[in-house]
Amino acid sequence: ETGVTQTPRHLVMGMTNKKSLKCEQHLGHNAMYWYKQSAKKPLELMFVYNFKEQTENNSVPSRFSPECPNSSHLFLHLHTLQPEDSALYLCASSPWGGQGASGNTIYFGEGSWLTVV
Amino acid sequence: GQNIDQPTEMTATEGAIVQINCTYQTSGFNGLFWYQQHAGEAPTFLSYNVLDGLEEKGRFSSFLSRSKGYSYLLLKELQMKDSASYLCAVENSNNDMRFGAGTRLTVKP
Repeated sequence: ETGVTQTPRHLVMGMTNKKSLKCEQHLGHNAMYWYKQSAKKPLELMFVYNFKEQTENNSVPSRFSPECPNSSHLFLHLHTLQPEDSALYLCASSPWGGQGASGNTIYFGEGSWLTVV
Repeated sequence: GQNIDQPTEMTATEGAIVQINCTYQTSGFNGLFWYQQHAGEAPTFLSYNVLDGLEEKGRFSSFLSRSKGYSYLLLKELQMKDSASYLCAVENSNNDMRFGAGTRLTVKP
């Protein structure tokens, strides 16, 4: 139990579907992140929210839409995805934004396995 | 550019010692992290180095040389449960965290 909970753990969706991934952190952190992990590739940072404000968007396609209603919750809304978007999507949190700064350790959730068919 | 390189796979024997290397080239440096990730699970924090030298934490140690852009994770007295992927991550001067692709370690009896 890392203190970061993601649902659903597994999701299969068609290319015309709309679905959402949910993340909740119970650590009192102020920063939350979405990462994409594909097979044999490095973790890719997608979005960063610091005190509910989006501070980073690493050229992610608009078919991925994040939402951060408060410091404890983060969503990733998905629509018209492509098969190549199939991957493990990891949510993470840290005490403050500026990931990793001076030991600002990132804590990951278990991930949501997404398959686009 | 920014690169973080680590071997793709390694195999070691239970009870032995294994060293997983990581080399990096980043725009500035604010620290290096090692994470462990078991198959199907979340990455979990192992260690953090910001100064040169060795940080020891039980069976795991992590070393950093900033001038060489080099780190290693040393695992002693290997156990079967240590079979996992080990991710090297570097924070650059913009506070961006970049991850390597991970090293998949298999521990054999």
